Amino acid sequence: QSALTQPASVSASPGQSITISCTGTSRDVGYYNLVSWYHQHPGKAPKLMIFEVTKRPSGVSYRFSGSKSGNTASLTISGLQAEDEGDYYCFSYAGSGTLVFGGGTKLTVL
Amino acid sequence: DVQLVESGGGLVQPGGSLKLSCAASGFTFSGSAIHWVRQASGKGLEWLGRIRSKGNNDATAYAASVRDRFTISRDDSKSTAYLLMNSLKIEDTALYYCARLGYGDFEGWGQGTLVTVSS
Repeated sequence: QSALTQPASVSASPGQSITISCTGTSRDVGYYNLVSWYHQHPGKAPKLMIFEVTKRPSGVSYRFSGSKSGNTASLTISGLQAEDEGDYYCFSYAGSGTLVFGGGTKLTVL
Repeated sequence: DVQLVESGGGLVQPGGSLKLSCAASGFTFSGSAIHWVRQASGKGLEWLGRIRSKGNNDATAYAASVRDRFTISRDDSKSTAYLLMNSLKIEDTALYYCARLGYGDFEGWGQGTLVTVSS
């Protein structure tokens, strides 16, 4: 049950698009379509941005989208805005009732 | 709205025990699974475990890192879940969240309770 692998940081300018990858194994990300993405501002609780790989909760901007290929899930943010800064975590079901987070990616909007 | 409020955090010596509470409102607690997640200062999120509803036999599951030391339970009459932590280590120092996960639009997180393990 190892943490999913994410890049430590990513940065881009306002208006640009970025993609954050989340690499697991054939026993978690690759097997189940149960990947979520969370956004966390410093000192705040995480906020759900994507669930079940591609679904967006109501109230989350269409600029956020999720996908998966093999053992890697991805979060894409288009039209970057300053408020998108913060930490992003992927989260996957890993079988036998267990779940696992990615190590987190710090997004900086330049 | 889903509301979760953690309590019970504090300072505890290494080797000690602590029981956290998670008071829920705004949803049907008895039918919901509840998860516990922690975050050490400046570090990432770590899933600790979850308890399912009585309809699912109160089934629990834990991360390997805490399986032998932490126990999750629930009292549906009080809409409260608990995290009992034994044999605490310095590295257990973190902000502990309870959360209602896996419910899409109806997810929710508490604001966390701080546990400090130190002599």
